[in-house]
Order: sequence, then C-alpha cells, then structure tokens
Amino acid sequence: GENVEQHPSTLSVQEGDSAVIKCTYSDSASNYFPWYKQELGKRPQLIIDIRSNVGEKKDQRIAVTLNKTAKHFSLHITETQPEDSAVYFCAASKSGGGADGLTFGKGTHLIIQP
Amino acid sequence: AAGVIQSPRHLIKEKRETATLKCYPIPRHDTVYWYQQGPGQDPQFLISFYEKMQSDKGSIPDRFSAQQFSDYHSELNMSSLELGDSALYFCASSRLGMTRNYGYTFGSGTRLTVV
Repeated sequence: GENVEQHPSTLSVQEGDSAVIKCTYSDSASNYFPWYKQELGKRPQLIIDIRSNVGEKKDQRIAVTLNKTAKHFSLHITETQPEDSAVYFCAASKSGGGADGLTFGKGTHLIIQP
Repeated sequence: AAGVIQSPRHLIKEKRETATLKCYPIPRHDTVYWYQQGPGQDPQFLISFYEKMQSDKGSIPDRFSAQQFSDYHSELNMSSLELGDSALYFCASSRLGMTRNYGYTFGSGTRLTVV
C-alpha cells in the first residue's frame, strides 16, 4: 500500500518568515495530494490540494509543489502569522479525490514564534 | 453552509461493550469515509462508502463494521471494545465527480474513551 513520509515533525519559525514542509510518497499511482491543518482536538481542515497533472498551485500565502518523478510534494507558507500555528498533515490518494481513502503523513507541528 | 454532522460528540464505554457512531454527510454528498485518529497520531483510514456500497477498506478491525443507508448517513459499529480503541473518530463526506473541488470535508469527530 501507499506510504507517506513527512518532514520535519516539528518546525519553529519566526513570525513573518516562510515555512516549508516536505512529503514523499511511495505509490506512483497516487494522483491526489491534499494538505490539512489541524488544531488540537479539532477536525482536519483542507487548506490546499494538488492533482498529479499540475506541478504547482498557489492560494494567497500558501503554495504546494509536486514532483511526480521524485514522488515528493511540499507545502510552502509565506509571511507566517501566529494563527498558522497548528499540526499540518500531507496525504495521498490514488483516486483523484474519489472514494478511496487518504494515506496521511505523520504530521508537522508548526510553531510560529512572535 | 451545512457541514458533516457526527454524533455523539463524546462517548465513554467500558471494555467489551459496543458502540455506534453516526455520521450525516453534507446534503447531496454521496460518499462517506471513516477515520480513526489516536492521540498525537495521523488519521488512519478505516472504510468508505459510495452510493451505499463499500468502496475502499483500510485498517478497520474485524470487530468494527459500517454501512451507509438510503439517506446517505453512515454508522460505524464497534464491538468488543478495547482500551486501544480510544481515539477521535472522524467521518468525512464528498460528492464524487465534482470538478471544482476534490477535497472532502471532515466532521467534528466523536471522541471515544474506553475505560
């Protein structure tokens, strides 16, 4: 089955700086890669996603890049703010958002230092 | 906008008891997914249903079963509960074929504590 590895497990950055979280996946058939933000005790919330036919996607301060050849994808957050502090999960799926389940990475605890 | 509704929000059960978790998807969503998230861990996919048929199966224990009903709500039945079943259980829903957004929405979760 799919295996998703995520690094780093903890990331501390100064407010206003950029943060980058990286994930690799094992199954070349995976074609959908969402990123979720989760605050303690709350639901995961989709912040951005990318499909395998696209190399990069941006939404305001958040961007995701995908390298299908290397089987890795990254989340970039610019101009970080205190409210960005949370756990971020990357995930992968083979069904392009269909009924197949997502395989999640282990998560990155992002800490924004004021 | 309506979200995914899960009930109950909290549930405390004793070992070897049974539990039923319910999930009401977003209106017009035809697919539901169940995930289990232990403390400090990533969500683990359990099972999904599309149009009332099981679609994909993950790490769901044999002690657990689930189904999707004609109104698209889903129930996760858990028997012979063990201490290790204590976790947050999330349901998510989506509508297959939506081209604008393939992401799906999670409910607020049910926190199950087995004592």
